[in-house]
Amino acid sequence: GQNIDQPTEMTATEGAIVQINCTYQTSGFNGLFWYQQHAGEAPTFLSYNVLDGLEEKGRFSSFLSRSKGYSYLLLKELQMKDSASYLCAVYDSGAGSYQLTFGKGTKLSVIP
Amino acid sequence: DSGVTQTPKHLITATGQRVTLRCSPRSGDLSVYWYQQSLDQGLQFLIQYYNGEERAKGNILERFSAQQFPDLHSELNLSSLELGDSALYFCASSVDVMGKGTEAFFGQGTRLTVV
Repeated sequence: GQNIDQPTEMTATEGAIVQINCTYQTSGFNGLFWYQQHAGEAPTFLSYNVLDGLEEKGRFSSFLSRSKGYSYLLLKELQMKDSASYLCAVYDSGAGSYQLTFGKGTKLSVIP
Repeated sequence: DSGVTQTPKHLITATGQRVTLRCSPRSGDLSVYWYQQSLDQGLQFLIQYYNGEERAKGNILERFSAQQFPDLHSELNLSSLELGDSALYFCASSVDVMGKGTEAFFGQGTRLTVV
Protein backbone atom coordinates (compact mmCIF):
# COMPACT_ATOMS: atom_id res chain seq x y z
CA GLY A 1 0.00 0.00 0.00
CA GLN A 2 0.90 3.65 0.05
CA ASN A 3 1.16 6.27 2.77
CA ILE A 4 1.72 9.84 1.67
CA ASP A 5 2.11 12.69 4.15
CA GLN A 6 2.27 16.40 3.49
CA PRO A 7 1.43 19.42 5.66
CA THR A 8 -2.21 20.41 5.64
CA GLU A 9 -1.73 24.15 5.31
CA MET A 10 1.03 26.69 4.76
CA THR A 11 1.12 30.46 4.49
CA ALA A 12 3.79 32.49 2.71
CA THR A 13 4.32 36.07 1.60
CA GLU A 14 4.15 37.32 -1.96
CA GLY A 15 7.62 37.35 -3.52
CA ALA A 16 9.01 34.84 -1.04
CA ILE A 17 10.10 31.21 -1.43
CA VAL A 18 8.15 28.29 0.04
CA GLN A 19 9.02 24.61 0.31
CA ILE A 20 6.27 22.00 0.54
CA ASN A 21 7.44 18.63 1.81
CA CYS A 22 6.08 15.19 1.06
CA THR A 23 7.06 11.88 2.61
CA TYR A 24 5.86 8.57 1.31
CA GLN A 25 6.01 4.85 1.88
CA THR A 26 5.44 2.52 -1.04
CA SER A 27 6.13 -1.08 -1.90
CA GLY A 28 6.97 -0.44 -5.54
CA PHE A 29 7.99 3.15 -6.27
CA ASN A 30 7.76 4.22 -9.89
CA GLY A 31 7.76 7.99 -9.76
CA LEU A 32 6.46 11.01 -7.90
CA PHE A 33 4.27 13.78 -9.29
CA TRP A 34 3.29 17.21 -8.05
CA TYR A 35 0.00 18.75 -9.06
CA GLN A 36 -1.59 22.13 -8.39
CA GLN A 37 -5.30 22.34 -7.69
CA HIS A 38 -7.35 25.49 -7.28
CA ALA A 39 -10.55 25.06 -5.27
CA GLY A 40 -13.24 23.30 -7.27
CA GLU A 41 -11.01 22.92 -10.30
CA ALA A 42 -9.09 20.07 -11.91
CA PRO A 43 -5.56 19.26 -10.76
CA THR A 44 -2.88 20.40 -13.20
CA PHE A 45 0.51 18.77 -13.60
CA LEU A 46 3.56 20.59 -12.24
CA SER A 47 6.47 18.14 -12.11
CA TYR A 48 7.65 14.54 -12.21
CA ASN A 49 10.61 12.90 -10.48
CA VAL A 50 11.68 9.29 -10.83
CA LEU A 51 15.41 9.64 -10.15
CA ASP A 52 17.05 11.31 -7.17
CA GLY A 53 17.79 14.97 -7.54
CA LEU A 54 16.30 18.29 -8.45
CA GLU A 55 14.08 19.07 -11.43
CA GLU A 56 13.67 22.74 -12.22
CA LYS A 57 10.88 24.31 -14.23
CA GLY A 58 10.76 28.06 -14.12
CA ARG A 59 9.61 29.22 -10.68
CA PHE A 60 8.89 25.64 -9.62
CA SER A 61 11.43 22.97 -8.64
CA SER A 62 10.92 19.49 -7.26
CA PHE A 63 13.38 17.30 -5.41
CA LEU A 64 13.36 13.58 -4.77
CA SER A 65 15.29 11.27 -2.44
CA ARG A 66 14.15 7.70 -2.99
CA SER A 67 16.21 6.30 -0.12
CA LYS A 68 14.51 8.68 2.30
CA GLY A 69 11.04 8.46 0.77
CA TYR A 70 11.06 12.23 0.57
CA SER A 71 10.24 14.93 -1.94
CA TYR A 72 9.71 18.65 -1.85
CA LEU A 73 8.21 21.24 -4.14
CA LEU A 74 9.92 24.62 -4.11
CA LEU A 75 8.03 27.67 -5.29
CA LYS A 76 10.03 30.85 -5.86
CA GLU A 77 8.93 34.46 -6.33
CA LEU A 78 5.49 33.65 -4.99
CA GLN A 79 2.52 35.29 -6.65
CA MET A 80 -1.02 35.65 -5.34
CA LYS A 81 -2.23 33.25 -8.04
CA ASP A 82 -0.06 30.53 -6.46
CA SER A 83 -2.63 30.26 -3.67
CA ALA A 84 -3.91 26.72 -4.22
CA SER A 85 -3.59 23.17 -2.97
CA TYR A 86 -0.45 21.28 -3.94
CA LEU A 87 -0.83 17.55 -4.28
CA CYS A 88 1.97 15.03 -3.99
CA ALA A 89 1.23 11.78 -5.84
CA VAL A 90 3.18 8.55 -6.00
CA TYR A 91 3.05 5.98 -8.75
CA ASP A 92 3.26 2.60 -7.11
CA SER A 93 3.42 -0.86 -8.60
CA GLY A 94 3.45 -2.68 -5.28
CA ALA A 95 -0.04 -4.08 -5.61
CA GLY A 96 0.83 -5.82 -8.86
CA SER A 97 -0.66 -3.04 -10.93
CA TYR A 98 0.28 0.57 -11.40
CA GLN A 99 -1.67 2.95 -9.19
CA LEU A 100 -1.34 6.72 -8.87
CA THR A 101 -2.08 7.65 -5.25
CA PHE A 102 -2.45 11.22 -4.05
CA GLY A 103 -1.71 12.76 -0.69
CA LYS A 104 -4.39 14.94 0.91
CA GLY A 105 -2.71 18.05 -0.40
CA THR A 106 -1.16 21.17 1.12
CA LYS A 107 -3.28 24.31 1.00
CA LEU A 108 -0.97 27.23 0.35
CA SER A 109 -2.13 30.75 1.08
CA VAL A 110 -0.04 33.58 -0.37
CA ILE A 111 -0.51 36.87 1.48
CA PRO A 112 0.55 40.38 0.40
CA ASP B 1 -8.01 22.92 -21.55
CA SER B 2 -6.53 19.50 -20.73
CA GLY B 3 -8.28 17.75 -23.59
CA VAL B 4 -10.15 15.44 -21.21
CA THR B 5 -13.91 15.92 -21.35
CA GLN B 6 -16.30 14.98 -18.59
CA THR B 7 -20.08 15.15 -18.70
CA PRO B 8 -22.21 16.26 -17.06
CA LYS B 9 -20.51 19.08 -15.13
CA HIS B 10 -23.16 19.04 -12.43
CA LEU B 11 -25.62 16.40 -11.33
CA ILE B 12 -28.23 16.51 -8.60
CA THR B 13 -30.08 13.33 -7.76
CA ALA B 14 -31.95 11.65 -4.93
CA THR B 15 -30.77 8.92 -2.60
CA GLY B 16 -31.23 5.43 -3.97
CA GLN B 17 -30.90 6.55 -7.56
CA ARG B 18 -28.32 5.52 -10.18
CA VAL B 19 -26.21 7.85 -12.32
CA THR B 20 -23.65 7.50 -15.09
CA LEU B 21 -20.67 9.80 -15.45
CA ARG B 22 -18.90 9.98 -18.77
CA CYS B 23 -15.30 10.69 -19.68
CA SER B 24 -13.63 11.18 -23.05
CA PRO B 25 -9.83 10.96 -22.75
CA ARG B 26 -7.33 13.05 -24.66
CA SER B 27 -6.79 11.93 -28.22
CA GLY B 28 -4.24 9.10 -28.22
CA ASP B 29 -4.43 8.38 -24.49
CA LEU B 30 -5.10 4.73 -23.68
CA SER B 31 -5.36 4.95 -19.89
CA VAL B 32 -8.31 6.36 -17.99
CA TYR B 33 -8.42 6.87 -14.23
CA TRP B 34 -11.36 7.75 -11.98
CA TYR B 35 -10.99 9.65 -8.71
CA GLN B 36 -13.43 10.81 -6.05
CA GLN B 37 -12.83 14.02 -4.12
CA SER B 38 -15.11 14.82 -1.20
CA LEU B 39 -15.22 18.26 0.42
CA ASP B 40 -11.81 19.11 1.86
CA GLN B 41 -10.59 15.59 1.17
CA GLY B 42 -7.83 14.32 -1.04
CA LEU B 43 -8.25 12.56 -4.34
CA GLN B 44 -9.31 8.98 -3.71
CA PHE B 45 -8.33 6.58 -6.48
CA LEU B 46 -11.25 4.49 -7.65
CA ILE B 47 -10.26 2.53 -10.74
CA GLN B 48 -8.04 2.55 -13.83
CA TYR B 49 -8.55 1.19 -17.33
CA TYR B 50 -6.00 0.68 -20.06
CA ASN B 51 -7.10 0.12 -23.62
CA GLY B 52 -10.43 -1.34 -22.55
CA GLU B 53 -9.20 -3.51 -19.71
CA GLU B 54 -9.30 -2.90 -15.98
CA ARG B 55 -5.73 -2.37 -14.74
CA ALA B 56 -5.98 -1.23 -11.14
CA LYS B 57 -8.66 -0.97 -8.51
CA GLY B 58 -8.61 1.35 -5.53
CA ASN B 59 -11.19 2.04 -2.85
CA ILE B 60 -14.17 1.61 -5.13
CA LEU B 61 -17.43 0.59 -3.52
CA GLU B 62 -19.33 -2.43 -4.81
CA ARG B 63 -22.19 -0.05 -5.69
CA PHE B 64 -19.86 1.63 -8.18
CA SER B 65 -18.69 0.17 -11.46
CA ALA B 66 -16.89 1.41 -14.53
CA GLN B 67 -15.95 0.38 -18.03
CA GLN B 68 -13.89 1.61 -20.95
CA PHE B 69 -15.34 1.22 -24.41
CA PRO B 70 -13.58 0.39 -27.73
CA ASP B 71 -13.47 4.09 -28.62
CA LEU B 72 -11.63 4.55 -25.25
CA HIS B 73 -14.26 6.68 -23.58
CA SER B 74 -15.16 5.55 -20.09
CA GLU B 75 -18.23 5.57 -17.90
CA LEU B 76 -18.49 5.43 -14.13
CA ASN B 77 -21.78 4.05 -12.83
CA LEU B 78 -22.88 4.90 -9.31
CA SER B 79 -25.93 3.09 -7.94
CA SER B 80 -28.01 3.05 -4.75
CA LEU B 81 -26.69 6.51 -4.11
CA GLU B 82 -26.21 7.74 -0.56
CA LEU B 83 -25.73 11.25 0.79
CA GLY B 84 -22.07 10.46 1.41
CA ASP B 85 -21.50 9.88 -2.29
CA SER B 86 -21.79 13.62 -2.90
CA ALA B 87 -18.40 14.63 -4.24
CA LEU B 88 -16.40 15.79 -7.23
CA TYR B 89 -15.61 12.90 -9.53
CA PHE B 90 -12.56 13.38 -11.71
CA CYS B 91 -11.47 11.46 -14.74
CA ALA B 92 -7.86 11.58 -15.89
CA SER B 93 -6.08 10.13 -18.89
CA SER B 94 -2.51 9.41 -19.86
CA VAL B 95 -0.71 8.14 -22.91
CA ASP B 96 0.04 4.76 -21.40
CA VAL B 97 0.28 2.95 -18.14
CA MET B 98 2.10 5.38 -15.95
CA GLY B 99 5.54 4.86 -14.58
CA LYS B 100 7.12 5.91 -17.84
CA GLY B 101 7.29 9.60 -17.12
CA THR B 102 3.90 10.52 -18.50
CA GLU B 103 1.59 12.62 -16.43
CA ALA B 104 -2.14 12.23 -16.09
CA PHE B 105 -4.34 15.00 -17.47
CA PHE B 106 -7.51 15.70 -15.55
CA GLY B 107 -10.96 16.62 -16.77
CA GLN B 108 -12.93 19.41 -15.10
CA GLY B 109 -14.86 16.94 -13.00
CA THR B 110 -18.49 16.12 -12.38
CA ARG B 111 -19.95 17.58 -9.21
CA LEU B 112 -22.47 15.09 -7.86
CA THR B 113 -24.93 16.17 -5.21
CA VAL B 114 -27.15 13.53 -3.63
CA VAL B 115 -30.18 14.92 -1.80
